[in-house]
Amino acid sequence: QVQLVQSGAEVKKPGASVKVSCKASGYTFTGYYIQWVRQAPGQGLEWMGRIIPSSGGTKYAPKFQGRVTMTRDTSISTAYMELSTLRSDDTAIYYCARSEGGVVVFLDSWGQGTLVTVSS
Amino acid sequence: DIQMTQSPSSLSASVGDRVTITCQASQDISRYLSWYQQKPGKAPNLLIYDASNLQTGVPSRFSGSGSETDFTFTISSLQPEDIATYYCQQYDDFPYTFGQGTKLEIK
Repeated sequence: QVQLVQSGAEVKKPGASVKVSCKASGYTFTGYYIQWVRQAPGQGLEWMGRIIPSSGGTKYAPKFQGRVTMTRDTSISTAYMELSTLRSDDTAIYYCARSEGGVVVFLDSWGQGTLVTVSS
Repeated sequence: DIQMTQSPSSLSASVGDRVTITCQASQDISRYLSWYQQKPGKAPNLLIYDASNLQTGVPSRFSGSGSETDFTFTISSLQPEDIATYYCQQYDDFPYTFGQGTKLEIK
């Protein structure tokens, strides 16, 4: 079955960076996109961007452009999301999710989420 | 960015009730809209895609309709396990934006 397993919780200081991993199994990693969504405590969902594992092509939400980098390692079916220059309002649960490509980009499988806490 | 206005923000209903949530896009998104259910402490779960298509394994009491700018999500007969927050998301154009969510409670 399709599974996306994310790395564990992180605590970071303001100004630091965090890198969250998302390991895929149960399907062909390069056949689907990986998208990243975050959720601040008690708040709604916020789309951050997506990576195409087969090519490495990325698209980021303007809000995160310049601070976020999405990469992948196809040899281990793992996608990564790195967010730099962390602020307290980056405290959130970060989710990876799978979608097909083209116009078929709804999110049909999700990781369990990774809590990132930014605190001095 | 395309703004997604979801209403109501919260809703209280009884078991067996018909429940409706609306989502309005700030511009034409064709039918590129999905609905997700999120239970407390869990990741979201896809229910509806392309405005009206039921995801595999999702109970038939859930349905969606609409196109262009106006969309509706319906639970035909509310069950206790449907208590959750529901989100719409457009994927017509970047960035893919979500509605602010509707928290559904049992009366």
